[in-house]
Amino acid sequence: NAGVTQTPKFQVLKTGQSMTLQCAQDMNHEYMSWYRQDPGMGLRLIHYSVGAGITDQGEVPNGYNVSRSTTEDFPLRLLSAAPSQTSVYFCASSRGPMGEQYFGPGTRLTVT
Amino acid sequence: GESVGLHLPTLSVQEGDNSIINCAYSNSASDYFIWYKQESGKGPQFIIDIRSNMDKRQGQRVTVLLNKTVKHLSLQIAATQPGDSAVYFCAETDNYGQNFVFGPGTRLSVLP
Repeated sequence: NAGVTQTPKFQVLKTGQSMTLQCAQDMNHEYMSWYRQDPGMGLRLIHYSVGAGITDQGEVPNGYNVSRSTTEDFPLRLLSAAPSQTSVYFCASSRGPMGEQYFGPGTRLTVT
Repeated sequence: GESVGLHLPTLSVQEGDNSIINCAYSNSASDYFIWYKQESGKGPQFIIDIRSNMDKRQGQRVTVLLNKTVKHLSLQIAATQPGDSAVYFCAETDNYGQNFVFGPGTRLSVLP
C-alpha cells in the first residue's frame, strides 16, 4: 500500500491564483482530513470528510473548498490564494472517527 | 486551538534517560487523545492514544498518562534514543472524533 499520497510536494502561487492540492489513500479509509501547519505551530483542521459525498468544516475553513466524490480522493481547492495561506498542508485518513490517523508527506505552499 | 508562539518548548535529554513530555488541554468534553511524533520534513506519525475512561496506557517504550481532573496529558518515553528526536504533539477530540485539536508541540532533543 502507498498509504496517503499528496501532490504536489511544493507549490508557489501568486496572490489571486487558484489551485487544487491532491490527496489520495489506498487503505479504504472512510475518514479523511486536511490540516495546515504554520511555522512552529501545531496542525489546524481545515475540512474533513466522514465518507464519500460528506464533508464538513474544521477550525479554519475560510478560503478553501473540498469535495469527496470517491472514498480514495479528497482534493483541497484554494479559490483565490492569499499570502496568509502560505503554509504546509497535510492530508490524513483513518478507518473511523477514533483511531490512528495516517498522514501524507505534506505540500509546502508559498503564496507571494 | 490554543494560541502559540513561534518558539516551541524544547526538552533536551541524555540518550538512555527517560523523557516526559507534557500537554495541557482545555476542553473538558474531550474524550479521546493521541500523541504524534513529527520528524523534520515529514507528516505526523501516530505514537499512542488513550480514551477518557482510562488514566494510563502503555505501548512499546511509551506510556501515556491522562489526568482529567487537571486536564493534563503526558507522554513518557523510556530509554530515549537518538531516533526519538522530533517534535511531539498531543491532539484531542470529543466523542464524535471528527474535530481534532492539536497542541503547539514540544521539540525533543536527545543528547549523545
